[in-house]
Amino acid sequence: SSELTQDPAVSVALGQTVRITCQGDNLRNYDVSWYQQKPGQAPVLVISGKNSRPSGIPDRFSGSTSGNTASLTITGAQAEDEADYYCHSRDNSGTQLRVFGIGTKVTVL
Amino acid sequence: QLQLQESGPGLVKPSETLSLTCTVSGASISSSNYYWGWIRQPPGKGLEWIGTLYQSGRTYHNPSLKSRVTISADFSLRLSSVTATDTAVYYCASGYTGFDSFDNWGQGTLVTVSS
Repeated sequence: SSELTQDPAVSVALGQTVRITCQGDNLRNYDVSWYQQKPGQAPVLVISGKNSRPSGIPDRFSGSTSGNTASLTITGAQAEDEADYYCHSRDNSGTQLRVFGIGTKVTVL
Repeated sequence: QLQLQESGPGLVKPSETLSLTCTVSGASISSSNYYWGWIRQPPGKGLEWIGTLYQSGRTYHNPSLKSRVTISADFSLRLSSVTATDTAVYYCASGYTGFDSFDNWGQGTLVTVSS
């Protein structure tokens, strides 16, 4: 099976830019999606597998992938962006198995 | 607007079977436009993919759960021989066919395994 590696925690000053990364060999072959989760709430999709934003997600959220590393960038972070962020993709087995990253806690200072 | 809602017992005894239902509104589980997934989150920990159901009836599940997982055609979840490590918030979710993301999620339901 595959693993997706994320930094456990990052911090960003209010209004500044933060990039959250997700690494895994499977990302060379499959799309990655990103989820925001606030305490006590269900995850919310912020970037879909084609690096596009679902309706209602602010345009300060963007996604990209290069090689085995995917990135979620928040440009001009707001206080309400403080949350856990998870990446998600297919396993590298060539089937429909899925895997989540361990999550990154984003703190807005 | 597609909505999902998990339901089931909040307390399950060790060695017994956890059973959850996901009620879907706004779409049919048999629709070719969607696929359906179960994800769980132990207290204070990250998300773990449990399994996915496709319109064809084909299911895939996390190998770490071995043969304990069953996802039925009605999108219900059964997890057998549970232990305390299966204590978690269980979410059902949906994705659009052809895309590898879960676009809509239920609110989640906490299942505690304890005698």
